[in-house]
Amino acid sequence: DVKVTQSSRYLVKRTGEKVFLECVQDMDHENMFWYRQDPGLGLRLIYFSYDVKMKEKGDIPEGYSVSREKKERFSLILESASTNQTSMYLCASSPTVIYGYTFGSGTRLTVV
Amino acid sequence: AQSVTQLDSHVSVSEGTPVLLRCNYSSSYSPSLFWYVQHPNKGLQLLLKYTSAATLVKGINGFEAEFKKSETSFHLTKPSAHMSDAAEYFCVVRNPYQAGTALIFGKGTTLSVSS
Repeated sequence: DVKVTQSSRYLVKRTGEKVFLECVQDMDHENMFWYRQDPGLGLRLIYFSYDVKMKEKGDIPEGYSVSREKKERFSLILESASTNQTSMYLCASSPTVIYGYTFGSGTRLTVV
Repeated sequence: AQSVTQLDSHVSVSEGTPVLLRCNYSSSYSPSLFWYVQHPNKGLQLLLKYTSAATLVKGINGFEAEFKKSETSFHLTKPSAHMSDAAEYFCVVRNPYQAGTALIFGKGTTLSVSS
C-alpha cells in the first residue's frame, strides 16, 4: 500500500514562528498536495506540485510556501504563523490525473 | 472551472435504513468524480471513483454512486446503514484531461446513524 507520512500529528506554535510541515510518500508519485481542513469548509487546496522543484498555487496560498527538492518529500512552510492558520493540514499524493489521492493522517496545528 | 456542491451538511438515519448523500457537480467536460470518507480522528479514505467507465460505481463497505450527466449529479447511496458508517463524507471532482490538476472538495456531509 502507498504510504503518505506526515511527520507530526499535533503541533503547537507561537504567533510569528516559522513552521515546517513535512510530508513523505513512498510510491514514487509525481503529484503531491497540501490541503487545510476546517469545519464547514471542507478541504481547501493550499499548494500542489506535479514534479520535483515544480509548484502551483491552490486556492488559499497566502501566508504559505512549499518546497519539493526530492520527489518523495513535499514541505509546507508557514513563513510567520498566525492564529488564523490554526487548522488540520493534510498532505496527499497521486500517480496520475485519473486516480484519487492517498492522504496522510494529518497534522493538527495550533498557533497561540 | 469545476466545483461540487453537497446539498446537505448533515444527514441523520436509523440503523438499517437507506442512506442518500447528495452531490451535484459543475464542469465543462466529463469529470472524474470521487467520494471520500473520514471517520472521527482518522484520515481520509477513498470510497469509490467514477472515471467515465460504468455510470454506476460500486465502492467499499456497500456504498455505491451513480453518475447522471443529465442531472450533473453523483449521489452516494447505501441500502442499509450501519453504526460504523457514521462519519464525514466528501464529494470530490477532478479534471482528468489536464496534468497537474488537483482534487476539488465539497464542504462535506456529516452522516449520523442512530440505533
